[in-house]
Amino acid sequence: GAVVSQHPSRVICKSGTSVKIECRSLDFQATTMFWYRQFPKQSLMLMATSNEGSKATYEQGVEKDKFLINHASLTLSTLTVTSAHPEDSSFYICSARAPGQQPQHFGDGTRLSIL
Amino acid sequence: DQQVKQNSPSLSVQEGRISILNCDYTNSMFDYFLWYKKYPAEGPTFLISISSIKDKNEDGRFTVFLNKSAKHLSLHIVPSQPGDSAVYFCAASDDNDMRFGAGTRLTVKP
Repeated sequence: GAVVSQHPSRVICKSGTSVKIECRSLDFQATTMFWYRQFPKQSLMLMATSNEGSKATYEQGVEKDKFLINHASLTLSTLTVTSAHPEDSSFYICSARAPGQQPQHFGDGTRLSIL
Repeated sequence: DQQVKQNSPSLSVQEGRISILNCDYTNSMFDYFLWYKKYPAEGPTFLISISSIKDKNEDGRFTVFLNKSAKHLSLHIVPSQPGDSAVYFCAASDDNDMRFGAGTRLTVKP
């Protein structure tokens, strides 16, 4: 069964809207969660690493004010795409890992479509 | 920079035959390697992994081979089944980071 739950699975909204995506680890505590973005026919691109109780670490080129990450508890991280525009349309996937363990387990992803 | 490369975007094999998916990496600090399987509109599912202290790991029909000197790993699926049709991502990680290849779409024909 799924060990990481991601919600919602699909969002369609107007340009300028802010969208929140939730990622939950279901049966383990995840001090670290990861947020990825996947463009069509391309690899998973790491956007940021979310650490419980501290600020997220963003990859180069990812706007931290655009993609707000909150890791409020050991089982929940959220990604908020602020003032979304059509170029933000993509497939966003989160993953979580138990402390000191592999592998990462992935959520089912969120398809974000900005009109 | 592409630290992990899967140079074949697609692969087609006949049911029952062997599927071989390849992956190359550039960062010698990577010490753990994974293969994920991904269906459309779903997140990747972990398939098999290998630590850098090993050169082979087998799990049922899936075997991963690691050649550290060549910075190359491969996934063998034998016998291939139609249900194996999916996109396969290889990933390489160290303590802090994981990088993915671009994926190889495997099609297993009945």
